[in-house]
Amino acid sequence: DIVMTQSPDSLAVSLGERATINCKSSQSILYSSNNKNYLAWYQQKPGQPPKLLIYWASIRESGVPDRFSGSGSGTDFTLTISSLQAEDVAVYYCQQYYSTLYAFGQGTKLEIK
Amino acid sequence: QVQLVQSGAEVTKPGDSVKVSCDTSGYTFSGYYVHWVRLAPGQGLEWMGRLNPGSGVPNYAQKFQGRVTLTGDTSISTAYLELRWLTSDDTAVYYCARGGWGSSRLDFDYWGQGTLITVSS
Repeated sequence: DIVMTQSPDSLAVSLGERATINCKSSQSILYSSNNKNYLAWYQQKPGQPPKLLIYWASIRESGVPDRFSGSGSGTDFTLTISSLQAEDVAVYYCQQYYSTLYAFGQGTKLEIK
Repeated sequence: QVQLVQSGAEVTKPGDSVKVSCDTSGYTFSGYYVHWVRLAPGQGLEWMGRLNPGSGVPNYAQKFQGRVTLTGDTSISTAYLELRWLTSDDTAVYYCARGGWGSSRLDFDYWGQGTLITVSS
């Protein structure tokens, strides 16, 4: 089974500053035949369902602000919020869809410093 | 527009079963997987399984094998999650989500609003 591990578990960043969340998979989730990384990032606010932010590791979902970006390949991935806004306070999850188990990371709680 | 609307919250007792519905609209029901994900208090998101509504074939996370059944009714574009032999550890918000397959996008792009299931004696 592919295990997804995020770091840190929680993060406090000042408004306007950069926030960086890391995600590591226990095996490569880069599919060689199409050169795509099978990874998504979601944002979840209290009382709401998860919201898709990024898919194929780096493609921003329609309507997602461009301050959100995804990068990485193989086993190591990063979600970056370039300039933190108050409405970005949430828990963020990475997810692999390389294997049928669709495992999520444990989540990273992002707060305002 | 794409919508997934789930049934309401339920309170159940240990040992009971629960069935949650996910009513979909705005897209071809048989053209996408319906996934089920839960969020327990203090925990992270946990994938439970997926249903191919067109074929009716489900796939389950090993943890839930034998205790969960995923079904769908293509005539009303609705998917169902049934979970049996409930314990307090099953207290959680349960979500359905749409996912693609094959060479298309495989992420979960639309989600239901969630259904709170509380297991308490």
